[in-house]
Amino acid sequence: DAMVIQNPRYQVTQFGKPVTLSCSQTLNHNVMYWYQQKSSQAPKLLFHYYDKDFNNEADTPDNFQSRRPNTSFCFLDIRSPGLGDAAMYLCASVGGYGNEKLFFGSGTQLSVL
Amino acid sequence: GENVEQHPSTLSVQEGDSAVIKCTYSDSASNYFPWYKQELGKRPQLIIDIRSNVGEKKDQRIAVTLNKTAKHFSLHITETQPEDSAVYFCAAEPGGTSYGKLTFGQGTILTVHP
Repeated sequence: DAMVIQNPRYQVTQFGKPVTLSCSQTLNHNVMYWYQQKSSQAPKLLFHYYDKDFNNEADTPDNFQSRRPNTSFCFLDIRSPGLGDAAMYLCASVGGYGNEKLFFGSGTQLSVL
Repeated sequence: GENVEQHPSTLSVQEGDSAVIKCTYSDSASNYFPWYKQELGKRPQLIIDIRSNVGEKKDQRIAVTLNKTAKHFSLHITETQPEDSAVYFCAAEPGGTSYGKLTFGQGTILTVHP
């Protein structure tokens, strides 16, 4: 379970101040995901990488960006956080065909003041 | 796109009773259906999953059934224990190369009373 690692566990930022959340995985998985989970709601997919191919969900705000510099690491950048962006951000990875079990990291709880 | 409906939203049972949570999905091309358990403040954890070519799968006290024709699947927990109390999410994954691109149900808060 510790094979998808997210840092930090808790992040506090100010309204409008850019913030970056990080994720790493030691599973050598091809596919990495960022999900947003607001309080008492289901996780919602923001975007994913298949190798280096970036795939954005249609309703993901432009305020959210992502980078994947290599197989192991993936970053979520929130350019101008608003109060509505306060949520748990979950990173996950999947191996690909025949290995579709999705494993989540511990998440980063983002607070926006 | 895919739409997953989950019922009930809350479920309260006595320890030792069974619990059943039901989900329906809209996309007939979906072929992978995992269930996640999430405790307060923690990550969702995969507890069981089923592929569309299988009708039922069991792992100790938990089982999942799938009716592909009717497009619904269910989670069954027998001999419930207080530590089963959590939020349970069903999910559906489209076919093709959409690995891990899950659409989740709204969640069920399960409370098991000692």
